Amino acid sequence: SYELTQPPSVSVSPGRTARITCSGEAFPKTYAYWYQQKSGQAPVLVIYEDTKRPSGIPERFSGSSSGTMATLTISGAQVEDEADYYCYSTDSSGNSVFGGGTKLTVL
Amino acid sequence: EVQLVESGGGLVQPGGSLRLSCAASGFTFSSYWMSWVRRAPGKGLEWVANIKHDGSEKYYVDSVKGRFTISRDNAKNSLSLQMNSLRAEDTAVYYCACGLGGPDYWGQGALVTVSS
Repeated sequence: SYELTQPPSVSVSPGRTARITCSGEAFPKTYAYWYQQKSGQAPVLVIYEDTKRPSGIPERFSGSSSGTMATLTISGAQVEDEADYYCYSTDSSGNSVFGGGTKLTVL
Repeated sequence: EVQLVESGGGLVQPGGSLRLSCAASGFTFSSYWMSWVRRAPGKGLEWVANIKHDGSEKYYVDSVKGRFTISRDNAKNSLSLQMNSLRAEDTAVYYCACGLGGPDYWGQGALVTVSS
């Protein structure tokens, strides 16, 4: 079955840049989506179709994709960005999958 | 404003059944893919199932195939997940989500606990 691989954890100091990667063999034929989930809350879409940012999402969130890797970048990370981040995509059969999730610590 | 409200969660014994519902408003329901996604305690997000805007295509994660059925009623702006033969490992918060590609908007979730 199709899998997306993320690092379990990433740490960054406030104001620095955090990068979270997502590896998947279906990239770049399919899009990557990125979700932020804070404790006790529903997930929130922060990046769709590799690079697009929904309205209301701060400009410090950006996405990119190259080869079999998609990347979420948080430029100038804030304490409030501390959360779990998940990538998501689909395979050629129409099945969907989430990456295992990355816990972002900002301290 | 997009709103997705799940209902029907609760405690059920192993082998039992439960039906989750999701009431949608604030968008053209019949134009969107709908999904169910869950998060088990201590685990990450797991896609469970999704259904095309017209109901003509349905997809399931392997672990629920043959046990769960996703359906929608575009006239009532509602999504359902019929869950049969439930197992302890199905214990999770179940989220309803909508999107044109991937899930864009999410409900607050419904807790399903499978335990004797």
